[in-house]
Amino acid sequence: KAGVTQTPRYLIKTRGQQVTLSCSPISGHRSVSWYQQTPGQGLQFLFEYFSETQRNKGNFPGRFSGRQFSNSRSEMNVSTLELGDSALYLCASSIDSRYQPQHFGDGTRLSIL
Amino acid sequence: GESVGLHLPTLSVQEGDNSIINCAYSNSASDYFIWYKQESGKGPQFIIDIRSNMDKRQGQRVTVLLNKTVKHLSLQIAATQPGDSAVYFCAEKGSETYKYIFGTGTRLKVLA
Repeated sequence: KAGVTQTPRYLIKTRGQQVTLSCSPISGHRSVSWYQQTPGQGLQFLFEYFSETQRNKGNFPGRFSGRQFSNSRSEMNVSTLELGDSALYLCASSIDSRYQPQHFGDGTRLSIL
Repeated sequence: GESVGLHLPTLSVQEGDNSIINCAYSNSASDYFIWYKQESGKGPQFIIDIRSNMDKRQGQRVTVLLNKTVKHLSLQIAATQPGDSAVYFCAEKGSETYKYIFGTGTRLKVLA
């Protein structure tokens, strides 16, 4: 079974631009979560989607948004990019069960110049 | 690849020895816990999980121990190998949420 796929793997943007990252979950997984990982802050939860609905949200500004499609694929968007948005963005999917683990993709490395 | 964390606590162990990685979790209401391994340039990889109704769970060369009294989780790796070198994270989830909270991570270095 294929794992979680994130595209693109690397992205370079400049301040003020916007970016869209994509995540294809493991087949059969309906829950998709997004995380931001930085050396200083570790893994920070952004949001979680299930059945095209945002079910949980972390403490990030409104510039960070996401959506989920009917096939469970998800995208996240960051508008008006800031230097501090440089990070590894990770997507994780899981079966919607209370005691099943999330499985991660290898992330998108976003660099802001 | 770029470091996952530049100032992580580091555990150095000799190849063949056992490793113990510790994690203090934050929420006494958390009822599900996971250990992940992250290698440079990759996403976190699931190692083992445990529910709060258990104290211990074993996998292949790994054991997770849960002490709910002091909110402490540990990962034991038997006969540590060079391929075990990575950053290890614990994650917790509360009973009323689908949101995970991750620990800061521990870097494991295996010395030949």
